[in-house]
Amino acid sequence: GAGVSQSPSNKVTEKGKDVELRCDPISGHTALYWYRQSLGQGLEFLIYFQGNSAPDKSGLPSDRFSAERTGGSVSTLTIQRTQQEDSAVYLCASTRVQMNTEAFFGQGTRLTVV
Amino acid sequence: AQSVTQPDIHITVSEGASLELRCNYSYGATPYLFWYVQSPGQGLQLLLKYFSGDTLVQGIKGFEAEFKRSQSSFNLRKPSVHWSDAAEYFCAVRISGGYNKLIFGAGTRLAVHP
Repeated sequence: GAGVSQSPSNKVTEKGKDVELRCDPISGHTALYWYRQSLGQGLEFLIYFQGNSAPDKSGLPSDRFSAERTGGSVSTLTIQRTQQEDSAVYLCASTRVQMNTEAFFGQGTRLTVV
Repeated sequence: AQSVTQPDIHITVSEGASLELRCNYSYGATPYLFWYVQSPGQGLQLLLKYFSGDTLVQGIKGFEAEFKRSQSSFNLRKPSVHWSDAAEYFCAVRISGGYNKLIFGAGTRLAVHP
């Protein structure tokens, strides 16, 4: 596609439910990042994929968070047993592997846990 | 640990005034540095980047940034601010060393007075 696509754009879920957030990166971009942006806060790094591998999962806040990437393309971020503190905008970005290339961001998924 | 610091959480300037947003990074090797802007309701957009060569880089929308290795800084500047520049600005560093992490600062929110 022309840009990074994230779905859904908005998600309201009840506390304790599981949610899946999807990211479709730009075709040919092998690197993919997930970030969390809480209200008025910066971008908190969650996880990075190179191809289908996640060499850096250090930012995942707890074991309720997991992510996968298949076919070197689509990625899914799953949050199990959601809590109110999980409410945030989840941003996905993709980039080519070269260090000097910019990351392109999706519009994000706004997650609200009620 | 690698980090990016934006000391100013919020800055207010008058339209037409000059602007400087500060960014300091902590990273042992040569960094790949980026500035992104996030306008209200918009995704993140790249303003400019530095990875080698001339330490003064030009970006879009009249912005420029200067890399100073001795100060571990990459400050963003604009000679004359426009009301449309009101947004949140994020400094980021991409690091290598086995994986390819992209770390963001906490952001600086810019308000512009008429």
